[in-house]
Amino acid sequence: EAGVTQFPSHSVIEKGQTVTLRCDPISGHDNLYWYRRVMGKEIKFLLHFVKESKQDESGMPNNRFLAERTGGTYSTLKVQPAELEDSGVYFCASSQLGTGSSEAFFGQGTRLTVV
Amino acid sequence: GENVEQHPSTLSVQEGDSAVIKCTYSDSASNYFPWYKQELGKRPQLIIDIRSNVGEKKDQRIAVTLNKTAKHFSLHITETQPEDSAVYFCAAFNDYKLSFGAGTTVTVRA
Repeated sequence: EAGVTQFPSHSVIEKGQTVTLRCDPISGHDNLYWYRRVMGKEIKFLLHFVKESKQDESGMPNNRFLAERTGGTYSTLKVQPAELEDSGVYFCASSQLGTGSSEAFFGQGTRLTVV
Repeated sequence: GENVEQHPSTLSVQEGDSAVIKCTYSDSASNYFPWYKQELGKRPQLIIDIRSNVGEKKDQRIAVTLNKTAKHFSLHITETQPEDSAVYFCAAFNDYKLSFGAGTTVTVRA
C-alpha cells in the first residue's frame, strides 16, 4: 500500500512567486492534515480536511495560503505570493475517519525555501 | 486550543544509557498521545502511542507513561543505540487534531 506522498520534495522560489504543494493521502483516508515546521521548531498545525470539507483552518497563517481538496482525494496548498517567512518544511498527514483517534501517517514533506 | 510543551529540546546520552522525554498538555479532553520519531531527511513516523484509559505502555526498549491527572506523559528509551538518534515529537489528540510538542533532538554518543 502506498503511503502519503508529497510533491515536490524541494522547492526554491523567489519572494513574490507562487508555489503549489501537493499531497496524496493514503487511499481511503478521509482525514487530511497540513502541518508546517519552520526553522527546526515545532510542527505546527495549518488545517484539516474531512473528505473535501475544511474542518479547521485555524492554523493558516494568513490569506496568502489557500488549501483545496477537490473530490476528497489529493490536496493542494498554494502560497501566493510567497514571503521569506514561509520557508520551512510542509508536511501532510492522513488518517482514517472514525470515532476516537487513529494513527496519522505523514508524507516526507516539501522543503520550501523562499529567497 | 491544545498546548503541548516538550522538554528537553536537546538530549545527549551515552550509548546504553536511558533517555527520557517529557510532555505536558493543557486540554483535559485530549485522549490519545502518540510519539513520532523523525530521522534526518525522513518523515515523522509513529513509534508508540497511548490512550487516555491506559497509564503505561511498553514496546521493547521504548515505553510511554501517562498521568491524566497531572496532564503529562513521557517517553522512555532504554539501552539507547546510535540508531535512536533522531528528533522525537510528542503529540496530543483532541477531537480531530494532533497538536505537537516542539520536538527533542536526541543524540546517542557511541
